Amino acid sequence: KQEVTQIPAALSVPEGENLVLNCSFTDSAIYNLQWFRQDPGKGLTSLLLIQSSQREQTSGRLNASLDKSSGRSTLYIAASQPGDSATYLCAVLGGTSYGKLTFGQGTILTVHP
Amino acid sequence: EPEVTQTPSHQVTQMGQEVILRCVPISNHLYFYWYRQILGQKVEFLVSFYNNEISEKSEIFDDQFSVERPDGSNFTLKIRSTKLEDSAMYFCARSDRNYGYTFGSGTRLTVV
Repeated sequence: KQEVTQIPAALSVPEGENLVLNCSFTDSAIYNLQWFRQDPGKGLTSLLLIQSSQREQTSGRLNASLDKSSGRSTLYIAASQPGDSATYLCAVLGGTSYGKLTFGQGTILTVHP
Repeated sequence: EPEVTQTPSHQVTQMGQEVILRCVPISNHLYFYWYRQILGQKVEFLVSFYNNEISEKSEIFDDQFSVERPDGSNFTLKIRSTKLEDSAMYFCARSDRNYGYTFGSGTRLTVV
């Protein structure tokens, strides 16, 4: 059974800092990995999708890497801003392109001015 | 990126009542999903629906739950007799090879 763990559980940083969020998964037989952002009481917004054959993906100030063999992914946020404050969720898709996602518990990020 | 619309955004119901949550994904997609998130907990898979049939379901998705696509566009999740522990955010989603998963904004279900 796939298990996804995110570290740290919470992170508070001053504006402008670069930061790294970590995600690990127990079963390396994944189809892809997706990072989401969730604002309080809201839905899930997709940030980055990394296919199992890829090593990283970039979108603006966000960069996500994937090391499938070691069961790890990192989300790098450059020059953090107060608007980045949210919960960041990592989710892995097992086996097939239309399987179920297994989520981590999330990292709660607070960026203070 | 394709969107998914869910209604209502918030529903309050009495314990034992039936509720129907609705989702409107793009009609030409075949794979749809329901997930839920109890306050403070992980997002959990409930059920996947392919070509008008359930393709996979979790242990949470017991006989109290059902899904259907009654008119070829709306996708519904029905809870027959709600319990207090059914209180959660319910998310509808669709998947795509290029975009991965796209989630709706969710329905907050409160059972009192």
